[in-house]
Amino acid sequence: AQSVTQLDSHVSVSEGTPVLLRCNYSSSYSPSLFWYVQHPNKGLQLLLKYTSAATLVKGINGFEAEFKKSETSFHLTKPSAHMSDAAEYFCVVKNNNNDMRFGAGTRLTVKP
Amino acid sequence: EAQVTQNPRYLITVTGKKLTVTCSQNMNHEYMSWYRQDPGLGLRQIYYSMNVEVTDKGDVPEGYKVSRKEKRNFPLILESPSPNQTSLYFCASSLLGTGGSNEQFFGPGTRLTVL
Repeated sequence: AQSVTQLDSHVSVSEGTPVLLRCNYSSSYSPSLFWYVQHPNKGLQLLLKYTSAATLVKGINGFEAEFKKSETSFHLTKPSAHMSDAAEYFCVVKNNNNDMRFGAGTRLTVKP
Repeated sequence: EAQVTQNPRYLITVTGKKLTVTCSQNMNHEYMSWYRQDPGLGLRQIYYSMNVEVTDKGDVPEGYKVSRKEKRNFPLILESPSPNQTSLYFCASSLLGTGGSNEQFFGPGTRLTVL
């Protein structure tokens, strides 16, 4: 069985400061890992994905994530937060059978 | 434009009144899925379909039905809705490929309230 734990339900940062959203996963297989973003009253948009190629993955809007197998982590980072980054972020693990497991989500607040 | 569409976007109904939420994708994806999103629980899978006439239960299938008669459509049916089915529902689709790396594309969501 596979699962995802997002370690923070809410993260608050000031505009221009770094963002760190933490995700740990559990999987019996070599997983694919994703980060999705959901802006208020919107659907889910793919930020980035890891699929067993490079362990440092770059996504849209300046976000990136690093796959660390030894720590079973896939934390999402951004060097400098922007007001438009305020949203809910979901870490997702997927196996070869298309079974996707979502984390509970992390709400990012960006203060001016 | 490649997209997943859902209708209706908002629905308020009463207990026991059958309803259907439609989902359609124009990307020729084999895989389609329904999720419900509840605060603090993330997204949980209701049903999924690997291809036409092939459907299976997800984690929370009770009270829901689906059908996949055509590749592009995957309607979600609530035969007798109850208040605990009040939620935000998402349809998603993806290609089926080796390695499971294909991301899912999500519809805009349907906010359902059952009184």
